[in-house]
Amino acid sequence: SQQGEEDPQALSIQEGENATMNCSYKTSINNLQWYRQNSGRGLVHLILIRSNEREKHSGRLRVTLDTSKKSSSLLITASRAADTASYFCATDSETNFGNEKLTFGTGTRLTIIP
Amino acid sequence: NAGVMQNPRHLVRRRGQEARLRCSPMKGHSHVYWYRQLPEEGLKFMVYLQKENIIDESGMPKERFSAEFPKEGPSILRIQQVVRGDSAAYFCASSLTGGRTEAFFGQGTRLTVV
Repeated sequence: SQQGEEDPQALSIQEGENATMNCSYKTSINNLQWYRQNSGRGLVHLILIRSNEREKHSGRLRVTLDTSKKSSSLLITASRAADTASYFCATDSETNFGNEKLTFGTGTRLTIIP
Repeated sequence: NAGVMQNPRHLVRRRGQEARLRCSPMKGHSHVYWYRQLPEEGLKFMVYLQKENIIDESGMPKERFSAEFPKEGPSILRIQQVVRGDSAAYFCASSLTGGRTEAFFGQGTRLTVV
């Protein structure tokens, strides 16, 4: 199973509304990241939140992290058509060599209806 | 500072041929990840490399697939004797210090096996 799993798998909302996506993970982490992927393109980093942080903002994005529940949420306020994309959370997990690799969830496909 | 460069963007191979996918990380980055993405799915971790070392290849199929990141030159993902099931988008990402910092993605190589 995925280290990070997003829900819902798909979300459609009207332009101007807020969109909330959730991510759950299984093992302890140092940080959690959110990425966006437009159809057929590479992933773009949105925000990184460290395990000792509870909330972080970047423009219209708000990310929360609850390490006790092993979950994170991404809120996009005042959505725009250009926000239509897939959103992935990624967690770092330690390898046997002490480095951390990024593991991605399956993503939430967000559609903004004009 | 150019981003992560992957080439080719599109690659068509007949069954049984070899596919070579190249990834040049961002300048100064010595950590490289390879991921595979099937249509409508998330990213599946394949391999994590540092210069001249494979750190974690737990996501690599045991046969036909190999990866390297030499001291000089790009990282190479090599698929021998391709089969139709290898058709997917292959993304490369690089980071400065592994999972503790954001990863920058290339635009991907779309492999089609005919």
